[in-house]
Amino acid sequence: SQQGEEDPQALSIQEGENATMNCSYKTSINNLQWYRQNSGRGLVHLILIRSNEREKHSGRLRVTLDTSKKSSSLLITASRAADTASYFCATETNFGNEKLTFGTGTRLTIIP
Amino acid sequence: DAMVIQNPRYQVTQFGKPVTLSCSQTLNHNVMYWYQQKSSQAPKLLFHYYDKDFNNEADTPDNFQSRRPNTSFCFLDIRSPGLGDAAMYLCATSRVAGEEQYFGPGTRLTVT
Repeated sequence: SQQGEEDPQALSIQEGENATMNCSYKTSINNLQWYRQNSGRGLVHLILIRSNEREKHSGRLRVTLDTSKKSSSLLITASRAADTASYFCATETNFGNEKLTFGTGTRLTIIP
Repeated sequence: DAMVIQNPRYQVTQFGKPVTLSCSQTLNHNVMYWYQQKSSQAPKLLFHYYDKDFNNEADTPDNFQSRRPNTSFCFLDIRSPGLGDAAMYLCATSRVAGEEQYFGPGTRLTVT
């Protein structure tokens, strides 16, 4: 069964605006990760946030984690055309099963 | 510098004709993963290796097999491809299970 559900499924914004994507999950986690996938390519790791962390930054990316609500958000500030991609959250559950379960993804389109 | 390499990038096979996809890594990571990703869907884990320890997902069809002859290489064998097996196949590695994964560019499989 799907661990992560992302919202919205698709998002189109003007270049320069901020983009926010949300991820909800079902079971307790060790960490939550965000990945980007350009069309027809492999995934690229963006950021990892652990269950005892609430917020993390990396460049123009800001990730928050609310374990009480079982949700996370990814904010991309000052978006660029090159940010056009699909974004996936992935969770590692604390069952020690060594694997990630990916969410359904958000398709982000930046309009120049 | 290529870190996770997948060959071929595009593979066309006939219905029922066995096919092998390959993955190699220069990262010396212990863990290697194979995912199947269909259009507009999340990557779905097929198997993973923690060193030589093979872990099969419960819902991975018997038609799919994997080999890891050494740390650097991993193969995905599809014994009798069906039309439903057409997908992108992604290989990934991680230094520690459950942590950041590094993905290859994927192999796009077409079944005719």
